Amino acid sequence: GQNIDQPTEMTATEGAIVQINCTYQTSGFNGLFWYQQHAGEAPTFLSYNVLDGLEEKGRFSSFLSRSKGYSYLLLKELQMKDSASYLCAVRDNTNAGKSTFGDGTTLTVKP
Amino acid sequence: DGGITQSPKYLFRKEGQNVTLSCEQNLNHDAMYWYRQDPGQGLRLIYYSQIVNDFQKGDIAEGYSVSREKKESFPLTVTSAQKNPTAFYLCASSRTGTGGSGELFFGEGSRLTVL
Repeated sequence: GQNIDQPTEMTATEGAIVQINCTYQTSGFNGLFWYQQHAGEAPTFLSYNVLDGLEEKGRFSSFLSRSKGYSYLLLKELQMKDSASYLCAVRDNTNAGKSTFGDGTTLTVKP
Repeated sequence: DGGITQSPKYLFRKEGQNVTLSCEQNLNHDAMYWYRQDPGQGLRLIYYSQIVNDFQKGDIAEGYSVSREKKESFPLTVTSAQKNPTAFYLCASSRTGTGGSGELFFGEGSRLTVL
């Protein structure tokens, strides 16, 4: 099975940079995803890593180290609208390719 | 526009009643999923289907049932056997096979409250 850990809450200031960490233990790995979820809404896809290294997409970047079972999501130039929950999800390597989610990190951006 | 449509958005149920949540997608995705989310928690997998007329139990399937008679549709029934059904239910779909990341596309969710 999969076990995924991420901090419950984080607070940062508008314009700053924040890093949200995710560690996982898995019996099979075929990719790590980050999703953003605003309160009361559905999650939306942010990033995907399957190989080690950094993937950059605008203000958001995601890093993966498979040997360490570690990923982080980096948010730059924080805006108030970035206040949301950020979900780390690991996909297994079975034919089903199911994703297991962490409990999410609630990020609050303050002026 | 392509996407996933869930209905109803809000649903109230009396104890002992079965309710069915609808999920329809026009993304031509083979795989569909049902997740449950409780306050302050992540998503837990209820059922998933990779192909029409086939589906598998996820981590918390007890008290739920599904069908997959059409590629576009994956309804979830919350039965009276589900002891704590009040939650936010999310339907998702994804592309399978090579090419792309295979990320999940979610519907807007259905919030079920048991009275």
